[in-house]
Amino acid sequence: EPEVTQTPSHQVTQMGQEVILRCVPISNHLYFYWYRQILGQKVEFLVSFYNNEISEKSEIFDDQFSVERPDGSNFTLKIRSTKLEDSAMYFCASRTGTSFGTQYFGPGTRLLVL
Amino acid sequence: AQSVTQLGSHVSVSEGALVLLRCNYSSSVPPYLFWYVQYPNQGLQLLLKYTSAATLVKGINGFEAEFKKSETSFHLTKPSAHMSDAAEYFCAVSDQSQGAQKLVFGQGTRLTINP
Repeated sequence: EPEVTQTPSHQVTQMGQEVILRCVPISNHLYFYWYRQILGQKVEFLVSFYNNEISEKSEIFDDQFSVERPDGSNFTLKIRSTKLEDSAMYFCASRTGTSFGTQYFGPGTRLLVL
Repeated sequence: AQSVTQLGSHVSVSEGALVLLRCNYSSSVPPYLFWYVQYPNQGLQLLLKYTSAATLVKGINGFEAEFKKSETSFHLTKPSAHMSDAAEYFCAVSDQSQGAQKLVFGQGTRLTINP
């Protein structure tokens, strides 16, 4: 069964450093998402991406964040200058273009900012 | 704004007992509701979803949920718990019929099964 994959599974970085989280969505999917979960808190929507542009973003998704689909298969989340509060589990998800098609989630990348 | 409340961050039941995980939502428009499960070191997996068809929704692994508009609830049940049901369960809502259809999640409920 097709699945969403994410790399790396864990990343430790120093505050102020740039990080890139990578995702490979399911191949025929059209919508792509990033969510995050700070330890002990809810899973929160960050951004959705469709037709090579951001379709919606949350208040969390400020200028420090960017997304890209550089080669038609990968979907990346970049954090330009990490802060301690960016420490979280980051989930990528994708779905087809069908209305309320299931969002399939990857296993997540645990980011720790020191 | 839409929101989800899951009552009980931890629920513990005996193997073979009824599982009931509670979810209440708030939405200004007819909602679409979802239950996801997360096993250790895995991503979120869809259990079931309500998208305005039948109010009683059956999902995978013997789970079902009933949409009750009057109670703004979408509780998840399973008649007989199995050890393999131990996981974290997330209720989510979306009020967008088009576009991004982003999900708004509850806090999650960790289900423990006692032998």
